[in-house]
Amino acid sequence: AQSVTQLDSQVPVFEEAPVELRCNYSSSVSVYLFWYVQYPNQGLQLLLKYLSGSTLVKSINGFEAEFNKSQTSFHLRKPSVHISDTAEYFCAVLSGGYQKVTFGTGTKLQVIP
Amino acid sequence: EPEVTQTPSHQVTQMGQEVILRCVPISNHLYFYWYRQILGQKVEFLVSFYNNEISEKSEIFDDQFSVERPDGSNFTLKIRSTKLEDSAMYFCASSESYRNEQFFGPGTRLTVL
Repeated sequence: AQSVTQLDSQVPVFEEAPVELRCNYSSSVSVYLFWYVQYPNQGLQLLLKYLSGSTLVKSINGFEAEFNKSQTSFHLRKPSVHISDTAEYFCAVLSGGYQKVTFGTGTKLQVIP
Repeated sequence: EPEVTQTPSHQVTQMGQEVILRCVPISNHLYFYWYRQILGQKVEFLVSFYNNEISEKSEIFDDQFSVERPDGSNFTLKIRSTKLEDSAMYFCASSESYRNEQFFGPGTRLTVL
């Protein structure tokens, strides 16, 4: 079985401050990991992914995440957030042998001016 | 850039009525999926579809639900007799293979009255 835990349901942060959104997963086999972002009243957009290779992956808008196999984590970070980053962020896992993506419960990032 | 499209964006129906949600996956993708997100909850997997048959489904996907690829481009989700608890955002997704990231459509918001 595969599961994803996002402990923080809401994270308020001031504009230009750094942020970390935590994600832990559980799976007995190799995994692919994703972060999706959902802006208000919109669909899911893939922010970044880890399939293989370098454990540090980056998005075009300054987010990065590091796959840590020993800690079974895939935390999302940004050194300086912008108002436009206000959204809900979902961590997701796809395990070998499965076809379904399992999502975490989401973390609402609220950037405060 | 190719994208998954869904119609309609919002569907309102009476309890007990049948609804069909439509999706056009990315053209060279071979795997298709439906997920749903009840308001305020996480995204949940419903079903995956490959080679004109269901390859995996969740316990949510009971006999009230069915999927079909009626032609070379559309992928549909039918709910035969809608219930109040079927009210949710329904997302279609597609991928090149089951080991690749899934690309999500913008969603159809289904409201059952």
